[in-house]
Amino acid sequence: DIQMTQSPSSLSASVGDRVTITCRASQGISNYLAWFQQKPGKAPKSLIYAASNLQSGVPSKFSGSGSGTDFTLTISSLQPEDFATYYCQQYNSYPITFGGGTRVEIK
Amino acid sequence: QVQVVQSGAEVKKPGSSVKVSCKASGGTFSNYAISWVRQAPGQGLEWMGEIIRILDTTNYAQKFQGRVTITADESTNTAYMELSSLRSEDTAVYYCSSGGLKDAFDIWGQGTMVTVSS
Repeated sequence: DIQMTQSPSSLSASVGDRVTITCRASQGISNYLAWFQQKPGKAPKSLIYAASNLQSGVPSKFSGSGSGTDFTLTISSLQPEDFATYYCQQYNSYPITFGGGTRVEIK
Repeated sequence: QVQVVQSGAEVKKPGSSVKVSCKASGGTFSNYAISWVRQAPGQGLEWMGEIIRILDTTNYAQKFQGRVTITADESTNTAYMELSSLRSEDTAVYYCSSGGLKDAFDIWGQGTMVTVSS
């Protein structure tokens, strides 16, 4: 199985901060990497697919980059509605696997 | 705009089975696959398996092989996930999502809480 390792597992940030979350795959996954946002008690929301493509309706403050094994999610200017848990996911090979999540909290 | 609506919460006894439905309303699933993902209380996301709609074939995570069955009814735009031989560790929220292997996940259902308790 491909292991997805996210870092940090949690972070505290202020409104307006630029935030970067990293995700490392245990083997190459080309660009089959997605990012999801999840708020407490809610379903995950798809943010980015194919490493750098925004899902329809997702604001441009979110961006993704990377290929192979190393990927990043950046939020350019953190807003109150962005405080949530973020997951990366590889969908290149079976079984599809998720990172452990990064909880973004208010400082 | 397509929305995905799942069936309601379930409480089951250990050893029994549960079947959760996932229906696209306002349109059809646009992806070629539909996946099921679960999340135990306070834990992360775990992929269980997928159905590739046009081929009507399934792929399951090894952990669930033999216990999970995913089906789809194209005439009603509905997918189903049945999990058998339930144990307390299966207590979780179960989500369906359009998407699968090399098919980006897009729309998610609202989730179905399954509680396994004697």
